Amino acid sequence: NAGVMQNPRHLVRRRGQEARLRCSPMKGHSHVYWYRQLPEEGLKFMVYLQKENIIDESGMPKERFSAEFPKEGPSILRIQQVVRGDSAAYFCASSPNTGTEQYFGPGTRLTVT
Amino acid sequence: DAKTTQPPSMDCAEGRAANLPCNHSTISGNEYVYWYRQIHSQGPQYIIHGLKNNETNEMASLIITEDRKSSTLILPHATLRDTAVYYCIVRGQAGTALIFGKGTTLSVSS
Repeated sequence: NAGVMQNPRHLVRRRGQEARLRCSPMKGHSHVYWYRQLPEEGLKFMVYLQKENIIDESGMPKERFSAEFPKEGPSILRIQQVVRGDSAAYFCASSPNTGTEQYFGPGTRLTVT
Repeated sequence: DAKTTQPPSMDCAEGRAANLPCNHSTISGNEYVYWYRQIHSQGPQYIIHGLKNNETNEMASLIITEDRKSSTLILPHATLRDTAVYYCIVRGQAGTALIFGKGTTLSVSS
């Protein structure tokens, strides 16, 4: 059973460009969570989605960030007009149900130049 | 979700048991104790979780005190590959987000 997959693993964007991060959950998992880890800081929750629905986006910055989990295909975290402060590791996790253990992917390292 | 307190760092000799403590004195009756670890800059790895009974799996054992105000994660035979940051997280059954604190940095040396 393949684990959570994220791509790309490394992404370099210039200031002002858009970044798209993809997450494919484990087979049978319909719950996806996104977390961000800034350099030398802890992991922070961003958003929780089920298929086609955003359940909790309390950790998402109010501007430039959006997330979706369509009926078909991976979950996408989109960052518009990136700034240097967006440079971080972005981790996706999935679970079969709410309130159960979450399994994390290897992360996408975003570098904004 | 209740707050947890962990020592910032611990050392352990390879082959010995590593006992990582966690205080969660404000835990509610329906909240679980979860343990994750993050090796270097990899994605966090789920280790184990429990409600009130002790739990054991292939990775570790979780000992929860009778009053549930503290717990200990036990790695029975630590190896160099167990060097990581270990996070103790208290989370309700209906909880969604995992709230990561600073965790304990475990250093295993030969």
